[in-house]
Amino acid sequence: AQKVTQAQTEISVVEKEDVTLDCVYETRDTTYYLFWYKQPPSGELVFLIRRNSFDEQNEISGRYSWNFQKSTSSFNFTITASQVVDSAVYFCALSEALLYAGNMLTFGGGTRLMVKP
Amino acid sequence: DVKVTQSSRYLVKRTGEKVFLECVQDMDHENMFWYRQDPGLGLRLIYFSYDVKMKEKGDIPEGYSVSREKKERFSLILESASTNQTSMYLCASSNQGPRYEQYFGPGTRLTVT
Repeated sequence: AQKVTQAQTEISVVEKEDVTLDCVYETRDTTYYLFWYKQPPSGELVFLIRRNSFDEQNEISGRYSWNFQKSTSSFNFTITASQVVDSAVYFCALSEALLYAGNMLTFGGGTRLMVKP
Repeated sequence: DVKVTQSSRYLVKRTGEKVFLECVQDMDHENMFWYRQDPGLGLRLIYFSYDVKMKEKGDIPEGYSVSREKKERFSLILESASTNQTSMYLCASSNQGPRYEQYFGPGTRLTVT
């Protein structure tokens, strides 16, 4: 069975600090996809990034960066120079393909990030 | 712009009532999903559908059923609501295949009293 663990339930930082959100996953599949989603106070989950299991290159998008390490089964998310607008709950998720059809996401428990001015 | 809409943002029902939560997507997605979100537990999959009239149980299907008569609409039914079903319910849709992200609706916060 797949599992995603986000050990940090809540993180509080002051604006402009860097912060890393941890994500550790378990799967027996050789082909899988990892995702990060952001859930702002409005409630709607917003897709941030997808990574497949064969691509271990780190990715940077503005102040956001992601570090995928297959050796440690981790897919960590770093926000550089955090801003108040980054305050949200962040979810890491793992996707598996099903034999017949469809696909399912297994979510971690989420990390609530609070950025104080 | 892609859109997933849910029929209500807030809903209050009494124990034993039958509850319908509706979800509509306008992206012609094959897959649709219902999750519930509870503090500390993340999102847990209740049911999903990969085609019209096709459904599969997720991790926590007990006490719920679903209906998908049209591609764009996926309904979650609580046959007899109970207080432990008080939660945030999120609907999502996606294209077929594990590489595709899911698009989420705004959620319905259901309170069962």
